[in-house]
Amino acid sequence: KQEVTQIPAALSVPEGENLVLNCSFTDSAIYNLQWFRQDPGKGLTSLLLIQSSQREQTSGRLNASLDKSSGRSTLYIAASQPGDSATYLCVVNSLGGGKLIFGQGTELSVKP
Amino acid sequence: DTGVSQNPRHKITKRGQNVTFRCDPISEHNRLYWYRQTLGQGPEFLTYFQNEAQLEKSRLLSDRFSAERPKGSFSTLEIQRTEQGDSAMYLCASSGPGLQETQYFGPGTRLLVL
Repeated sequence: KQEVTQIPAALSVPEGENLVLNCSFTDSAIYNLQWFRQDPGKGLTSLLLIQSSQREQTSGRLNASLDKSSGRSTLYIAASQPGDSATYLCVVNSLGGGKLIFGQGTELSVKP
Repeated sequence: DTGVSQNPRHKITKRGQNVTFRCDPISEHNRLYWYRQTLGQGPEFLTYFQNEAQLEKSRLLSDRFSAERPKGSFSTLEIQRTEQGDSAMYLCASSGPGLQETQYFGPGTRLLVL
């Protein structure tokens, strides 16, 4: 059974810092891994999707990596801004299932 | 294409009442998923459809929950005899036919059971 774990559960940083969010998953048989952002009380915004054959994806100040063999992914945020404050969810699409398995999220607060 | 839409966006009900939520997927998507998210947790899978067929149901989906997609387009999720523990955000997503395809999420319906 696929399980997704995110560390840390919460993170507070001053504006301008570079930061890394970590995600681990127990079963390497995946189609892809995705990072979402969720603002309080809101729906999900997709940030980056990495297919199982890929090692990383980049979008603006965001870079996500995938190491399928070790069951790890990281989301790197460069030069953090207060507008980056949100919960970040790591999501795995496992082979044979189709349904997404979510981590519990990392709640990020960027202080001005 | 306006994306996935969900109605209502918010619902407050009293314990014991029935509620129904609607999800309209992206028009060309034949897969539709329902997830539930409780406070402080990541979303959890409830059920999914391929066209009108309900292919998988989570054990989270008790007998009080029923989902339908009668014509393979929009879907409804009904909760009968609501309980306070049903209070959550209910998220709908849709995707193309492949299991590996990206799921696009709607804004969610937030349910509060008093």
